[in-house]
Amino acid sequence: DAGVTQSPTHLIKTRGQHVTLRCSPISGHKSVSWYQQVLGQGPQFIFQYYEKEERGRGNFPDRFSARQFPNYSSELNVNALLLGDSALYLCASSRASGDGYTFGSGTRLTVV
Amino acid sequence: AQRVTQPEKLLSVFKGAPVELKCNYSYSGSPELFWYVQYSRQRLQLLLRHISRESIKGFTADLNKGETSFHLKKPFAQEEDSAMYYCALGDQFYFGTGTSLTVIP
Repeated sequence: DAGVTQSPTHLIKTRGQHVTLRCSPISGHKSVSWYQQVLGQGPQFIFQYYEKEERGRGNFPDRFSARQFPNYSSELNVNALLLGDSALYLCASSRASGDGYTFGSGTRLTVV
Repeated sequence: AQRVTQPEKLLSVFKGAPVELKCNYSYSGSPELFWYVQYSRQRLQLLLRHISRESIKGFTADLNKGETSFHLKKPFAQEEDSAMYYCALGDQFYFGTGTSLTVIP
């Protein structure tokens, strides 16, 4: 098993642009969560999806959105990028709610 | 407010010494608590969760509801324990800011 895979690994965007980050969970994992991590901080929760339905949403603006597909993969979309959106975006999956999460290696987003 | 506090950003101990990484939480309801570890250049990985009351790599953590704490302990630190440790609360909705543990040979 390849574990949780995220793409791309790095990208650079300009302020005002839109970005889509992708995540493939471990086979059999139906829950996917997204986190934003800035240097020196712990992961900040953005979204959780379970069986394609949103189960939780963190304190992020509406510019952030996500969805989960029938194969349980997920996308995180961020519109109207700001410099402050520069961070490591982590995806994590689990078999079910309450189980521990397996994390991907993240997507490093730089907004210039 | 639901919150996880890890009061120590940095912690250094000598090899063979006991280590305790502190985690305090604020949560309305019955908490689910986890410890995650990130070794240098590796992914964040689950270390243990309170519900399973397990010992992983010699680490244990006990949920103390009276003190709202979930401290991570190991009786004898090893050099390979040097890493970043995060406490997480809820269905992993809340993470602490992390403690960087260095075990001195």
